[in-house]
Amino acid sequence: DIVMTQSPDSLAVSLGERATINCKSSQSVLYSSNNMNYLAWYQQKPGQPPQLLIYWASTRESGVPDRFSGSGSGTDFTLTISSLQAEDVAVYYCQQYYSTPCSFGQGTKLEIK
Amino acid sequence: QVQLVQSGAEVKKPGASVKVSCKASGYTFTSYGISWVRQAPGQGLEWMGWISAYNGNTNYAQRLQGRVTMTTDTSTSTVYMELRSLRSDDTAVYYCARDQGGYYYGDNWGQGTLVTVSS
Repeated sequence: DIVMTQSPDSLAVSLGERATINCKSSQSVLYSSNNMNYLAWYQQKPGQPPQLLIYWASTRESGVPDRFSGSGSGTDFTLTISSLQAEDVAVYYCQQYYSTPCSFGQGTKLEIK
Repeated sequence: QVQLVQSGAEVKKPGASVKVSCKASGYTFTSYGISWVRQAPGQGLEWMGWISAYNGNTNYAQRLQGRVTMTTDTSTSTVYMELRSLRSDDTAVYYCARDQGGYYYGDNWGQGTLVTVSS
């Protein structure tokens, strides 16, 4: 099974500043035949279901603000929020869908400093 | 708009079974699959498995094999997840999520169903 590890576990960033969350997979999630990374990012606010932000490691879901971006390949990935807004306070999860069982990182709690 | 509406909260005793429903609307039901993901109180997300709404094919997490069954009813655009032999550590919010083209990431999620297992 692929293990997903996020860092840090929690993060406090000032409004308007950049927030960076890392995700590492225990094996590559890059599928060589199509050169796609099978990696998604979600945002979850208290009492709500997760919301898809990014898929294929860097494709922004429709309606997601462009301050959210994803990067990386193979085993190392990053979610960046370029200018933190108050509504971005949430827990963020990465997920690999390269192989089953699909697996999520443990989550990163993002707060305002 | 795409909507996944789940059934209401359940309280079950250890050893019992629970069946959670997820009714889809706003899209062609049989063109997508549905994953089930659960979240224990204060914990992270755990993928439970997936079902194709097209042909009913399933893919279950190994650790739940033998206890979980996912089914579909195309006449009502509803997916069901049944979990048997419930234990206290099955207490969680259970989510259904629509996949995207057979790739197991969720682009639309149900509101969640709290299942509490307690004697």
